[in-house]
Amino acid sequence: NSKVIQTPRYLVKGQGQKAKMRCIPEKGHPVVFWYQQNKNNEFKFLINFQNQEVLQQIDMTEKRFSAECPSNSPCSLEIQSSEAGDSALYLCASSPRGSQNTLYFGAGTRLSVL
Amino acid sequence: TQTVSQSDAHVTVFEGDSVELRCNYSYGGSIYLSWYIQHHGHGLQFLLKYYSGNPVVQGVNGFEAEFSKSDSSFHLRKASVHWSDSAVYFCAALNTGYQNFYFGKGTSLTVIP
Repeated sequence: NSKVIQTPRYLVKGQGQKAKMRCIPEKGHPVVFWYQQNKNNEFKFLINFQNQEVLQQIDMTEKRFSAECPSNSPCSLEIQSSEAGDSALYLCASSPRGSQNTLYFGAGTRLSVL
Repeated sequence: TQTVSQSDAHVTVFEGDSVELRCNYSYGGSIYLSWYIQHHGHGLQFLLKYYSGNPVVQGVNGFEAEFSKSDSSFHLRKASVHWSDSAVYFCAALNTGYQNFYFGKGTSLTVIP
């Protein structure tokens, strides 16, 4: 079973509000991904990190979304000004050294923007 | 552009039946292929993966998948399903440039007891 911990499980925000969610990757996993899963089960890659460094991020992430993975602290994903279209399940996944082709997912944070 | 397609949005079978969930990919280079399962309200759990070698790979809970380069496929199979196998199954591809994973839209499997 995955040991990736995501908090909170549910998040409700009004439009324009900030929304912040956290992820603790499995111990020893240097790579962390954030995905957005919409109600149609479509996955959108947002950003990934190796240790504290950003590997890749989508253009959208650079505008309203921000993310970080500081050492000795949980990773976080923050939406500066939430929009209705941001309502989705946000999944964090980590990957172990030497086996970066396997993802271990957390349970997700379900964001509802009213 | 790399894509992963799962042609069946929903599959319904009876407990004890065999099942095959289909996955096709399009990518010219070397890729890793994986299957994940998502139970309602939970994150995804890894089932199995393929990169090279024996095209039939075994996973957890009796699942296996077979890679076919000629068909660009990586179908998931189970010989005898259990009601607890009811979930959404996602096929995923990762190119060896290791940027990010591409997921199919999932196949919802319902197993009738």
